[in-house]
Amino acid sequence: KQEVTQIPAALSVPEGENLVLNCSFTDSAIYNLQWFRQDPGKGLTSLLLIQSSQREQTSGRLNASLDKSSGRSTLYIAASQPGDSATYLCAVRPPGQNFVFGPGTRLSVLP
Amino acid sequence: EAQVTQNPRYLITVTGKKLTVTCSQNMNHEYMSWYRQDPGLGLRQIYYSMNVEVTDKGDVPEGYKVSRKEKRNFPLILESPSPNQTSLYFCASRLDPATYEQYFGPGTRLTVT
Repeated sequence: KQEVTQIPAALSVPEGENLVLNCSFTDSAIYNLQWFRQDPGKGLTSLLLIQSSQREQTSGRLNASLDKSSGRSTLYIAASQPGDSATYLCAVRPPGQNFVFGPGTRLSVLP
Repeated sequence: EAQVTQNPRYLITVTGKKLTVTCSQNMNHEYMSWYRQDPGLGLRQIYYSMNVEVTDKGDVPEGYKVSRKEKRNFPLILESPSPNQTSLYFCASRLDPATYEQYFGPGTRLTVT
């Protein structure tokens, strides 16, 4: 059964720093991996999706990488801002199944 | 505006009192699902529906019911809520099962005492 973990569980950084969030999954047989952002009191917002055949995706200050063979993905946030403070979730989609979510990393960017 | 709406947003109830959480989407999506989110466990799927009158169990369906009589609506029913169903619930939809772009509602925080 696919399991997804995220490290660290929480992270505080000063504004302007570059940072990396980690996601690990146990079974490399996946269709895709998706990173979401969750703000308090709001639903999830899709940030980036990486298909199984891709190695990375970029959107603005965000870059997500995927290494299927090692079961890892990273979300790189450049020049962090207080508005980036949120919980970041990764989710993988195994064949024939719905997304399996990780527990999330709670990010605080301090002004 | 394309969106998924849920009501109520917050609900405190007592054990055994039947409740319904509504979910509606305005994007003509075929696929809808319900998740619950608990600390340290991530989101877990409760039920999903691939189209009208087609529903199936997710990973944690015990204690829940759903119905899909119309394409836009997918209510979650707790016939006899228990304290272990205290959680944050999300409804989500996407165009079809193969489409990755999933849209989430704002969440419903349920407390069962």
